[in-house]
Amino acid sequence: DTAVSQTPKYLVTQMGNDKSIKCEQNLGHDTMYWYKQDSKKFLKIMFSYNNKELIINETVPNRFSPKSPDKAHLNLHINSLELGDSAVYFCASSQYLGTKNIQYFGAGTRLSVL
Amino acid sequence: QKEVEQDPGPLSVPEGAIVSLNCTYSNSAFQYFMWYRQYSRKGPELLMYTYSSGNKEDGRFTAQVDKSSKYISLFIRDSQPSDSATYLCAMSSRNSGNTPLVFGKGTRLSVIA
Repeated sequence: DTAVSQTPKYLVTQMGNDKSIKCEQNLGHDTMYWYKQDSKKFLKIMFSYNNKELIINETVPNRFSPKSPDKAHLNLHINSLELGDSAVYFCASSQYLGTKNIQYFGAGTRLSVL
Repeated sequence: QKEVEQDPGPLSVPEGAIVSLNCTYSNSAFQYFMWYRQYSRKGPELLMYTYSSGNKEDGRFTAQVDKSSKYISLFIRDSQPSDSATYLCAMSSRNSGNTPLVFGKGTRLSVIA
């Protein structure tokens, strides 16, 4: 029973294409995140949603658009892919208040832009 | 200067060794400190969670926080080959979901049998 699941695990695509990554959590959390981990393994927050509302939006190109249809899902759509978008993208979830802000991560989506 | 600095290693130790992993940070507002372990091609998983200064022990793992020096450590006793992974420190200023975690770059550890 995977707590935070992402699809696909691997994504290889050409520059200029549009692609989506899906994320689902079954932990009952109300907050979800997207992180980018570059080739140097540096993990950086991109977006955070709480109950379908955007609460963190770091400096990310507007080619990246997150969508949260409900609090258990947070998808990431990327337009006009560029070589520099190649990275591993991690989805995570946590409970917003009242407990430790412990984030649970998915296994990652390895994106390669050719 | 990055907010969180962590020596990326790699660090290679023999089985049974004591391992010391460290991070320094610049933001004095950080109060919550975490260590995540990330196996190859997997997502990070929480290993230790501490609040403010002090020590916390969990089995072979001990986390230390020295807020006066802006320095945190993770010690692994009797290291095992299964401890081979990348260890990431993370920290935040508030205990709520709208406060992002700031991660170090991670230290890659190999424990040789």
